[in-house]
Amino acid sequence: RKEVEQDPGPFNVPEGATVAFNCTYSNSASQSFFWYRQDCRKEPKLLMSVYSSGNEDGRFTAQLNRASQYISLLIRDSKLSDSATYLCVVNKGSWGKLQFGAGTQVVVTP
Amino acid sequence: GAVVSQHPSWVICKSGTSVKIECRSLDFQATTMFWYRQFPKQSLMLMATSNEGSKATYEQGVEKDKFLINHASLTLSTLTVTSAHPEDSSFYICSGAPGAGATDTQYFGPGTRLTVL
Repeated sequence: RKEVEQDPGPFNVPEGATVAFNCTYSNSASQSFFWYRQDCRKEPKLLMSVYSSGNEDGRFTAQLNRASQYISLLIRDSKLSDSATYLCVVNKGSWGKLQFGAGTQVVVTP
Repeated sequence: GAVVSQHPSWVICKSGTSVKIECRSLDFQATTMFWYRQFPKQSLMLMATSNEGSKATYEQGVEKDKFLINHASLTLSTLTVTSAHPEDSSFYICSGAPGAGATDTQYFGPGTRLTVL
């Protein structure tokens, strides 16, 4: 079983619609959680950290469920510029080491 | 702030040659730098963790004699792929973390695309 699993997609989303997807992680000792976005052939960029209480940043909402060991990301009012691969990232429990999921591809269409 | 640069951004080399990739934190001091590798349609895989002035810690399955890491200062780390072969062709990305805590944010460089012929 992979340490961080994501649905690879693609999720084809009409512009203006809402899309949500999850990620599951296997290490219950994981301490911190993030969503990154990665554009084609580019480096990953931090989208947002994920907190236990859930958090929102503009059109993006992240949730963490420690009991079930999953993280979710919801994108409202999708923009064409939201087209990217979204990487679920989990701190492995040992100092500073991040475990990346393979990513969920989102394609926003006009 | 928190910018990390990598050089070169892409490199093509012949099999058997060595390639050095530089990773620099431009506006912060990176206590720790991480080196990742990403194959097409796969996730980033951590190769090694390096702290300034000490030996790098390699992940299981990563050959330390093949991937030489030098973290000479708080703003510079280098990865040398020795005797590169076509299977080493990949996207190499470094990141820097300013602090020493488990939850410190990592700032990623733009990556270096290595193609070995």
